[in-house]
Amino acid sequence: DTGVSQDPRHKITKRGQNVTFRCDPISEHNRLYWYRQTLGQGPEFLTYFQNEAQLEKSRLLSDRFSAERPKGSFSTLEIQRTEQGDSAMYLCASSTVYGYTFGSGTRLTVV
Amino acid sequence: DQQVKQNSPSLSVQEGRISILNCDYTNSMFDYFLWYKKYPAEGPTFLISISSIKDKNEDGRFTVFLNKSAKHLSLHIVPSQPGDSAVYFCAASEGYGGSQGNLIFGKGTKLSVKP
Repeated sequence: DTGVSQDPRHKITKRGQNVTFRCDPISEHNRLYWYRQTLGQGPEFLTYFQNEAQLEKSRLLSDRFSAERPKGSFSTLEIQRTEQGDSAMYLCASSTVYGYTFGSGTRLTVV
Repeated sequence: DQQVKQNSPSLSVQEGRISILNCDYTNSMFDYFLWYKKYPAEGPTFLISISSIKDKNEDGRFTVFLNKSAKHLSLHIVPSQPGDSAVYFCAASEGYGGSQGNLIFGKGTKLSVKP
């Protein structure tokens, strides 16, 4: 299966710690997106990359969040000094002109 | 302010009957609409889409209807099957045909199809 892969699937961290998630998109997809989904809500856009360039960031992406996509392949999303409000499912997606494919997400729980 | 609204958090339907899921939007610049299906612990899976130049698109048991004047779309599933039980998200995009660019999602409707 060459779908979008996210790692880890689950992460429990203490408030104030830093966490990093990884996303491996479908290899021929040049666009990569990060979304966040909280309980009872639909996915909300965070940021996206065209190859290695980060082209747009949502205002939801505070200064504690940083995303990278070195070499235009995999991407990482780091959250510094985690807060309980960061608890959510973090979804990665990649796309071509033919459509979006989402990964299974990383569920973050901040305790 | 929510630009895509799914006002029914849940819907229960008998197997074999029609399921109708509704979605309203406020942004007249949206020109592409998509429905995604999501099972617990999985990412959303694309189901069906429609461009704003059309008013209907069919794919097997799934049909999406778009009423641009009312800023309303609906997903019809006929006949409904127990395996259709999932959360359904309506999403919209401005430009790019829905394949690129940011998607704006509704809050979802949980469909339960009872045998």
